[in-house]
Amino acid sequence: DAKTTQPPSMDCAEGRAANLPCNHSTISGNEYVYWYRQIHSQGPQYIIHGLKNNETNEMASLIITEDRKSSTLILPHATLRDTAVYYCIVSVNYGGSQGNLIFGKGTKLSVKP
Amino acid sequence: GAGVSQSPSNKVTEKGKDVELRCDPISGHTALYWYRQSLGQGLEFLIYFQGNSAPDKSGLPSDRFSAERTGGSVSTLTIQRTQQEDSAVYLCASSFQRVGSPLHFGNGTRLTVT
Repeated sequence: DAKTTQPPSMDCAEGRAANLPCNHSTISGNEYVYWYRQIHSQGPQYIIHGLKNNETNEMASLIITEDRKSSTLILPHATLRDTAVYYCIVSVNYGGSQGNLIFGKGTKLSVKP
Repeated sequence: GAGVSQSPSNKVTEKGKDVELRCDPISGHTALYWYRQSLGQGLEFLIYFQGNSAPDKSGLPSDRFSAERTGGSVSTLTIQRTQQEDSAVYLCASSFQRVGSPLHFGNGTRLTVT
């Protein structure tokens, strides 16, 4: 079973920030938080990941609470092309020894004009 | 830069035939994974390669499934005597061989067994 809890769906207005929450209350100290998204008929697309600190890249920002029990993915200016299912995953990734990315149900984000 | 490339993108085969699916990982990525995704379901881990060796084959569903990787690069997943329950999207991912490195996925091969 997935070790994360996400709302099944969210709506966001085009041009506004999309804030996607994720609960991972049983996260271990050496587990990373990864975010992926999947657009229909495509493979999962890596967005961002972090261990303890907040992270930002060209796609998004990741805010991790101090106790690491939850996180928020922020898409600063959502576009229609950001409509997808977003997956929050926690994993101990020893550089590939376990292949244990568990994709749960994710959050279906709908960006509306 | 170039991402993970998979071919073919779609494959329709008759029950009982063998199929080969190909994955070209991102250059420099020594870790390679195969997953499959059935309609509306999550990803199911199949096999992991570290270089050319496969230390974790625990996800292969039966002995009809096999995979190899040559030159630390291209990988092929072979399904022998295909069954209808093998119908799914087969996804390949690659990553650097270091702690925390994220996996990068291809767009998959959609296999339909008739």
